[in-house]
Amino acid sequence: SYELTQPPSVSVSPGQTARITCSGDALPKKYAYWYQQKSGQAPVLIIYEDNKRPSGIPERFSGSSSGTMATLTISGAQVEDEADYYCYSPDSSGNPPFGGGTKLTVL
Amino acid sequence: EVQLVESGGALVQPGGSLRLSCAASGFTFSSYNMNWVRQAPGKGLQWVSYISSSSSSIYYADSVKGRFTISRDNAKNSLHLQMNSLRAEDTAVYYCARDLSGSAAWGQGTLVTVSS
Repeated sequence: SYELTQPPSVSVSPGQTARITCSGDALPKKYAYWYQQKSGQAPVLIIYEDNKRPSGIPERFSGSSSGTMATLTISGAQVEDEADYYCYSPDSSGNPPFGGGTKLTVL
Repeated sequence: EVQLVESGGALVQPGGSLRLSCAASGFTFSSYNMNWVRQAPGKGLQWVSYISSSSSSIYYADSVKGRFTISRDNAKNSLHLQMNSLRAEDTAVYYCARDLSGSAAWGQGTLVTVSS
């Protein structure tokens, strides 16, 4: 299996753009997925296949991927976007890793 | 509405066993691959096990291989995780998750505490 690396924390002011990165050697060949987990709640999928948004996810959430890095961008971050964000990428070994998670603070 | 409801979490002594269940509703359970994912207190998400829609493919994380067994009953729309030889480091909230990819859905989790 391989690892996905995220920064432990990112902090922005309300209305600013937040970017959370996820690096992994297999990302050039594998899709990245992003989950949002608010305190005390189950994770929610917010980006799939690098850059697609499930229905109901606000347009301010977007994803991109280039080379060994995937990026989650929150354009105009809001206080309610404070959460932990996890990247995920399935691999063929049957041990799909999650990134370590990034705590986003908006204040 | 898609619903996944976990049950079976409890306080158990080291070396003990526990069986978790996940009741699925609101979708065609037999068409989806399923996973168990856990989260230790204050820690990140850790994938535990995967079972394909027909149970033909099963995978485990190295940390639980040989101790945990995943299974499903498509007739009863249920997913299970048999956990044996439990260790303190297995303490976590265990989530049942449908297809971690584009059609992902998660339950609210059930807490497993391994302690004497």
